This record gives sequence, structure tokens and C-alpha cells, in this order.
Amino acid sequence: KQEVTQIPAALSVPEGENLVLNCSFTDSAIYNLQWFRQDPGKGLTSLLLIQSSQREQTSGRLNASLDKSSGRSTLYIAASQPGDSATYLCAASFSGGYNKLIFGAGTRLAVHP
Amino acid sequence: GAVVSQHPSWVICKSGTSVKIECRSLDFQATTMFWYRQFPKQSLMLMATSNEGSKATYEQGVEKDKFLINHASLTLSTLTVTSAHPEDSSFYICSARSLSTDTQYFGPGTRLTVL
Repeated sequence: KQEVTQIPAALSVPEGENLVLNCSFTDSAIYNLQWFRQDPGKGLTSLLLIQSSQREQTSGRLNASLDKSSGRSTLYIAASQPGDSATYLCAASFSGGYNKLIFGAGTRLAVHP
Repeated sequence: GAVVSQHPSWVICKSGTSVKIECRSLDFQATTMFWYRQFPKQSLMLMATSNEGSKATYEQGVEKDKFLINHASLTLSTLTVTSAHPEDSSFYICSARSLSTDTQYFGPGTRLTVL
């Protein structure tokens, strides 16, 4: 069964810290992996998309890596700000069902001033 | 950028009534749209895959007769929750896969509350 797991479930940090969110997946035949941000009661904002042939993607203070052999992806947030407070979801699609996104449960991040 | 809209953004209905939710791709064509459900403090669970002009494919455990999906055009899919009950109260999110970019774009979600 293809599963996506995220740890930690919740994280609270002071402003300015660099932090890492973890995502693991059970099937190495991954097609791509995406990181999303979700604010309370809102839809999803796509942050980064990593294709299976790539090892990382960067956008501003965000960097996401993908290691297929270990079944892991990390989202690195540099110099965190209170505005980064949200739930971060990772979702993977796998070969043979590449249309279907399987989501992790998310990490609820709180950055306090 | 690619935009997906959902209507309504929220709806409150009485138990036993049916509710229709629309999902539209505003500036691109989507042969495939997806419907997700999200319960409070939980992640998104795929309910069904909607293909333009054909029957939807439902995930295990999702009742196709309760959650009717229609994908009549390349820019519109609808989800109808029939005979809604309080346990159907949830956040419903759609996504649309762009033909040109092969990327899924998500709608803003619809909050359904069944009294």
C-alpha cells in the first residue's frame, strides 16, 4: 500500500529559526512529489514540485529535496517568519497511477515572534 | 497562472437534502479533475477521479450513488452530495490536471455543513 507520512505533526519555533519538515513515502517508484501550504479553512497553495529525476527544488527561502532510495523528502524553511505559520502537506504520485496524489497528514507549523 | 474555482465556497443544508458543488478550470482545459475530502485536522483523501465524457472512478469506500460526479466539459466538473447527513460535513476540494503542464491545480475548497 502506498503511504505518505509526515513528521512532526506539529512544530512551534521562534521567529528566525531554520527548520526542516520531513516526509516519507513507501514506494520508491515515485513519479513526483509536491509540497503544499494550507492556511486554516483555506485551499492548497503549491510551494514546490520535484520530479522523480530531480533531487531538489528551491523557491526563495524554501528548499525541498527528494531521495528516492530512502523514500524521503524534506522541506527546508530558512529564517522562518510568523507569516510562515500554516499546515504544510506533502503529496506524492507514483508510477502507474501518476495522476493520483497521496497526501501526508501534514505538519502544523507555528512561528512565534 | 492556472486558476481553479469552486462554487459555492461554503454551504449549510438540512439533513436529507442534496448539495451540488462546482469545480471550474478558468484558463485551461482539464480532461481529468479530482475530488478530495478533508475532515478537521486531517489530510486530504481522494474520493474520485473525474474524466471528461466518461464515468468517474471512485476510491475504495466512497459510495458512488451518494457522491455523484459529472464532468460534462473540459472546464467543469460537479460533485453532488445526495441525501446529505451530518457525517458528510467536511471540506471538499477539487483539483484539475492541466493538459499542457500535466500539473494538478487546486481549487479553494467548499465547506459543507449538514445540520
